[in-house]
Amino acid sequence: DAGVIQSPRHEVTEMGQEVTLRCKPISGHNSLFWYRQTMMRGLELLIYFNNNVPIDDSGMPEDRFSAKMPNASFSTLKIQPSEPRDSAVYFCASSFAWDSGSNEQFFGPGTRLTVL
Amino acid sequence: SQQGEEDPQALSIQEGENATMNCSYKTSINNLQWYRQNSGRGLVHLILIRSNEREKHSGRLRVTLDTSKKSSSLLITASRAADTASYFCATDASQAGTALIFGKGTTLSVSS
Repeated sequence: DAGVIQSPRHEVTEMGQEVTLRCKPISGHNSLFWYRQTMMRGLELLIYFNNNVPIDDSGMPEDRFSAKMPNASFSTLKIQPSEPRDSAVYFCASSFAWDSGSNEQFFGPGTRLTVL
Repeated sequence: SQQGEEDPQALSIQEGENATMNCSYKTSINNLQWYRQNSGRGLVHLILIRSNEREKHSGRLRVTLDTSKKSSSLLITASRAADTASYFCATDASQAGTALIFGKGTTLSVSS
């Protein structure tokens, strides 16, 4: 298995532009997570999906952020419009979870976003 | 908000020494997990310990869990330069147990 795949790996954009980050989870996993990592705030959970349904988006910072999971093999995180403070590394992770507790999460390599 | 808090924030040791990192959390958990992150990479799962377990081993890793104190420790024995990385503990965020909350991590530096 190729693991969790994220694209692009690096993104440099100007303030106000739309940014779309993509993620392909590991086949067979039923949970998908989007995280943001910065030096100041550490690793923050933005949103997670279970069986393609958003379960908790309370970590999404603002309405400028949106995430979709149209099918079990693809998810996007969109920022529109982007701002310099959105600069961070964005990770996607997937796992197979059941009601009795969390399982290990498999992380993608991340997308380093720089908003100028 | 952070659930797990690692201590110390940074740790520097020599190769061959043992490294101990601690994690404290606030609410009841289903399990606690430790992850490692090498610079510029994604997190990698190391070990999972369930709330009804007290100790677990995996190779050179030893994890303990004290639910009465809401704390866990990760011990890396006979450390190597390749162990240089950041280490995070993560706990369940909800009863359904599908989301994890990560601490800010301990940065371990092992010099040869």
